[in-house]
Amino acid sequence: EVQLVESGGGLVQPGGSLRLSCSASGFTFTNYAMFWVRQAPGKGLEFVSTLNTNGATTYYADAVKGRFTISRDNSQNTLSLEMSSLRLDDTAVYYCVRGAGYYSYHGMDVWGQGTTVTVSS
Amino acid sequence: QTVVTQEPSLTVSPGGTVTLTCAFSTGAVTSGYYPNWFQQKPGQAPRALIYSTTNKHSWTPARFSGSLLGGKAALTLSGVQPEDEADYYCLLYYGGAQVFGGGTKLTVL
Repeated sequence: EVQLVESGGGLVQPGGSLRLSCSASGFTFTNYAMFWVRQAPGKGLEFVSTLNTNGATTYYADAVKGRFTISRDNSQNTLSLEMSSLRLDDTAVYYCVRGAGYYSYHGMDVWGQGTTVTVSS
Repeated sequence: QTVVTQEPSLTVSPGGTVTLTCAFSTGAVTSGYYPNWFQQKPGQAPRALIYSTTNKHSWTPARFSGSLLGGKAALTLSGVQPEDEADYYCLLYYGGAQVFGGGTKLTVL
């Protein structure tokens, strides 16, 4: 069974940092692009970041560019999102999502259950 | 700024047919934007329905279909079931990144 399990969410002050992790299982991790997607309370889905199978190519939403860093460890089947200079509007549920194929342009298929990040003083 | 626009809300009767659309501020949506569609029910993570315009995932019910219609991506539900009441989001690939639409709240009534 394909599974994505996020961890690392929590309460952080504005300007603080947090690292999210996603543990993947049930599929060949190295064959899929991966994504982070977030959803603010009561709002729609928002693309955050993606990276290709070897982690060499990354893309970010303008809202997080320069503050967030996506990475993957193919030896550990793990996806990460390093978040810094956090702002109030970064408060959201963050989802780890598997790409629908080798390349990110295929889109997304399997979603984790999400981890909640709350930025508040 | 790139904006993806969906109908904010639609209502359909059980057993009926409804089409949700997804427009792009840059112009016509083509297969090169690899449209994806997702369903999200309250309190749940989204679930993928369609990828690359028309392709269904192994778990996607047969009553869901994707297409291009009048310069937009489209998701058609035929023979709507009460359990199809949910929020639906489209996703377009653009410039290496991805852009979600604002979502359509589908009511089955």
